[in-house]
Amino acid sequence: GAVVSQHPSWVICKSGTSVKIECRSLDFQATTMFWYRQFPKQSLMLMATSNEGSKATYEQGVEKDKFLINHASLTLSTLTVTSAHPEDSSFYICSARSVDETQYFGPGTRLLVL
Amino acid sequence: AQKITQTQPGMFVQEKEAVTLDCTYDTSDQSYGLFWYKQPSSGEMIFLIYQGSYDEQNATEGRYSLNFQKARKSANLVISASQLGDSAMYFCAMRAMNTGFQKLVFGTGTRLLVSP
Repeated sequence: GAVVSQHPSWVICKSGTSVKIECRSLDFQATTMFWYRQFPKQSLMLMATSNEGSKATYEQGVEKDKFLINHASLTLSTLTVTSAHPEDSSFYICSARSVDETQYFGPGTRLLVL
Repeated sequence: AQKITQTQPGMFVQEKEAVTLDCTYDTSDQSYGLFWYKQPSSGEMIFLIYQGSYDEQNATEGRYSLNFQKARKSANLVISASQLGDSAMYFCAMRAMNTGFQKLVFGTGTRLLVSP
């Protein structure tokens, strides 16, 4: 089946630094990629949707200057958490939708900001 | 707007028994899809089963079946013959299937614990 990878799987950083998370669809072209955020014991909350070659669409309440999304190609999307703070610590999950509308999820990235 | 409601924060079941996880939804869309995902402690989201709003038959995938009652707007997941490895968080989700951009909306999840 289709595979979506995320890198890194976990990251610890100091407050004020920026962190980049990569999401790749390994054996299919993703027309659309999604970024979710999940706090402990909570559900997945959609942060933004990105289509290759166009600007990401952010959900209400998500700061686009804080969470930069670049969908560089049909197989790669990146999420950069700029000037990270402890409250940004969370589990970030990407998802990629293939041309047949199936949505595949990556394994997630755990971010801890000290 | 779409909304998914999972009223059971946690469920317990003994190994080999069946369990039903509840899910109700609200949408104004005529064409939509309902999904169930399993999230073990590792965090990955594992797709379990899909039901289309126009599907007349309830979806089944191995030990998973979806009890789809369209008039009641419910899409309960039934796991038969529970196994210890079924212990995880389970999320119900839905997505409009009309043309254009569709978002997958998740419920709050149900934590299932299977005991020996």
